[in-house]
Formats: sequence, structure tokens, C-alpha cells
Amino acid sequence: GAGVSQTPSNKVTEKGKYVELRCDPISGHTALYWYRQSLGQGPEFLIYFQGTGAADDSGLPNDRFFAVRPEGSVSTLKIQRTERGDSAVYLCASGTSGGAADTQYFGPGTRLTVL
Amino acid sequence: DQQVKQNSPSLSVQEGRISILNCDYTNSMFDYFLWYKKYPAEGPTFLISISSIKDKNEDGRFTVFLNKSAKHLSLHIVPSQPGDSAVYFCAASATAYTGNQFYFGTGTSLTVIP
Repeated sequence: GAGVSQTPSNKVTEKGKYVELRCDPISGHTALYWYRQSLGQGPEFLIYFQGTGAADDSGLPNDRFFAVRPEGSVSTLKIQRTERGDSAVYLCASGTSGGAADTQYFGPGTRLTVL
Repeated sequence: DQQVKQNSPSLSVQEGRISILNCDYTNSMFDYFLWYKKYPAEGPTFLISISSIKDKNEDGRFTVFLNKSAKHLSLHIVPSQPGDSAVYFCAASATAYTGNQFYFGTGTSLTVIP
């Protein structure tokens, strides 16, 4: 079946602009995660959704970052007033249950470049 | 601070030999560990996991060893194949505290030479 998809695959924007990154999880997966991977680093947790609600948003770096999942399926990560330091690959993953031992299936990521 | 560390950024191994990838962690609350494999332009793919109640878990050519006292885990791939060439990330979670947050290492790039 279809895996996790993310759009766009690449996004170039200017400092100060607003961007939205989209994640389509595997159908039926209730858990959804956003990660950020900077160059030379491993993925860094941002936020976890269980259904429509953000169960853990402690990884969001500041209030410029916000994510939604209004119908418990597709999620959008929103970044306001982008800064050059936001440049990274943003990864989305989904899982069947969200438990600690739940396998997370990752999408290919969106590469965000802030000029 | 980096709670999960992979101190070898790269590793080269001959086809057919053993690949050993290492990972160290600092948080004694971590009780669940995973290895992910990542090819270029793709997301990480789950490979194998281990709970802290075990010291070894095996799945085909892949075995993960956990040494809790040393806060160290390793991934063994035997025999190594060219298709194993990828970046390998270890990740850890403190399931009783922040169960859905996985902390990743910086990755080790494995090259298997035919």
C-alpha cells in the first residue's frame, strides 16, 4: 500500500516568509509525528499527534512553529516568519497506535531552505 | 545536549564481513532502543528494536546488543551486503516518561564494498 507522503519535496523561501509543509500518513494510522533533521544531525522530535489532538508538542522550538491535524489524517506543519536557522529536512512519520513500541513509518521529507 | 551519540560518522566494510555500528547514550531512563536505516532522498526505515529487559535481539542478518551498565548498544550485520550501504541511526526512548519521543543519534554512514 501507499506509504507516508510529504509535499512539497523541496521548498525554498525567503527569510520572514510563512511556509506550510504537508504530510499524508498511511491510511488508518492514528499516530503522526513531525521531526526536523538538520545537516549532519539525526532527526529531532517536534510534535506527536494521536488522532486530531497534539498529544506532545514539547519539541516545537518556539511559537513560530505550529502543526494541525484537523481530521485525524493529513497534517500540516506551519512555520511563521521563517529564519535561516529553520533550514532543514522536515520528516513526518505515522504509526498504528502511538505507543512507545509502535513502529514509525517515515516519509521522504521536505527539504526547506530559507534564504 | 546529545543524549544519543554515534561517534563514528562512517564505516567501510568488505562484502561478506561483519559490520558493527555503535551507539552510546547518557540518559539512564532510556528503556527502548531502535535502529533505523536511511537511503539518500528517503525517510528512515525501521530495522530492529530492543527493550531494556533484553540484552540481545536478532532478526536475520541483524542483531542488536544492549549493554545497560555501559549505556551502549551495537548493531551487527552479518554477512554485510552492498545493499546494506546506507546511513544508520540509533534512537532511544524513555517509555515511562516521554514514551513517544525518540532521541536519535547523528548517524553512521556504512559503505559495503563489493
